[in-house]
Amino acid sequence: SQQGEEDPQALSIQEGENATMNCSYKTSINNLQWYRQNSGRGLVHLILIRSNEREKHSGRLRVTLDTSKKSSSLLITASRAADTASYFCATDAESGAGNMLTFGGGTRLMVKP
Amino acid sequence: DAGVTQSPTHLIKTRGQHVTLRCSPISGHKSVSWYQQVLGQGPQFIFQYYEKEERGRGNFPDRFSARQFPNYSSELNVNALLLGDSALYLCASSLTAESYNSPLHFGNGTRLTVT
Repeated sequence: SQQGEEDPQALSIQEGENATMNCSYKTSINNLQWYRQNSGRGLVHLILIRSNEREKHSGRLRVTLDTSKKSSSLLITASRAADTASYFCATDAESGAGNMLTFGGGTRLMVKP
Repeated sequence: DAGVTQSPTHLIKTRGQHVTLRCSPISGHKSVSWYQQVLGQGPQFIFQYYEKEERGRGNFPDRFSARQFPNYSSELNVNALLLGDSALYLCASSLTAESYNSPLHFGNGTRLTVT
């Protein structure tokens, strides 16, 4: 079963626009991560935010975490056609279950040139 | 440096057969995890191995088994294949056993089709 849900399931924007994806989860966590997946390929780690952090930046990426609402958002600014991919949030159990990540269903982002 | 490599890339099997998937982690990574990704869904955790010992197991039947070798490579075995086992099987390696200090590096997966 999936721990979290991404919203929206699909997003289509024009190049240069910002893209915002949301993730909700159910149980307490140690950290939340975002991964990207190009069609049919492996996932690439984008950013990790710990449960005691509220916001984190990496290049054009901005992640927020609200543990009281059990939700996170990923903002991609000034999007490019190369950002077209599926984006997944992943959480680990607070009990520290190693690398057992629970992934959401993903947001499919299409950036039109 | 080479990334995580998985073999084969594609595989077609018949119901009831057995399959072995292989994974070589990034050099120096001692943890290997396996995930199943059904089309249109997010990956689901199957196993984690660290230093050749099982560290975690997801909600999968006993038909699924895995092991890690002294060189840290890993095999995932699935017996008595069902149509529902058709999926992309992803292997991920990391430096340590814990995700908070060592993100996962994924291979491109093995696409298994069961007919």
